[in-house]
Amino acid sequence: QKEVEQNSGPLSVPEGAIASLNCTYSDRGSQSFFWYRQYSGKSPELIMFIYSNGDKEDGRFTAQLNKASQYVSLLIRDSQPSDSATYLCAVERGGYNKLIFGAGTRLAVHP
Amino acid sequence: EAQVTQNPRYLITVTGKKLTVTCSQNMNHEYMSWYRQDPGLGLRQIYYSMNVEVTDKGDVPEGYKVSRKEKRNFPLILESPSPNQTSLYFCASTPRVGATYEQYFGPGTRLTVT
Repeated sequence: QKEVEQNSGPLSVPEGAIASLNCTYSDRGSQSFFWYRQYSGKSPELIMFIYSNGDKEDGRFTAQLNKASQYVSLLIRDSQPSDSATYLCAVERGGYNKLIFGAGTRLAVHP
Repeated sequence: EAQVTQNPRYLITVTGKKLTVTCSQNMNHEYMSWYRQDPGLGLRQIYYSMNVEVTDKGDVPEGYKVSRKEKRNFPLILESPSPNQTSLYFCASTPRVGATYEQYFGPGTRLTVT
């Protein structure tokens, strides 16, 4: 079992819809959770981070964390074609800035 | 402009020929790390450095070396590259330990070893 699991996709949504991306993790002691966006051939870009159970909203993005169920999700409202990218979930393990990444979910937003 | 730079961006080499990928940041960050990214495996940490002269292994350090003689530079050295080191490599930096929310990635180096 991988430490951080994501559905590889592609997740295809129409423009204007809500895209829901999910991630599960195995280390119950994990404290910090991150979502990165990566366009094809480019470097990852941090879009959200969350530490506490519940929701955290930033513009069109909402991160949701449920530590009891060991999952973290990312909702993208009013999806745009420019949101088409691979979304990487990362979990911080054991301090020292050590991130464990999932393999990513590819999102395709079609007009 | 705050940035992490890597050179070269693309490299094709042959098995056993030593190479160095440079990484430099201009943000006075203490913490730097190297990742490799492979299809289906995500990013995996190779080595990290918490400050000058302080380095440690990540999850996949075999076949790699690093050094941190200056705060801004963190080169990745492949002494004897092999085809299984063909990958996309990213350097990253953060201001300090505990500041992962401010991690900056370099543009990546695509390495092919034949």
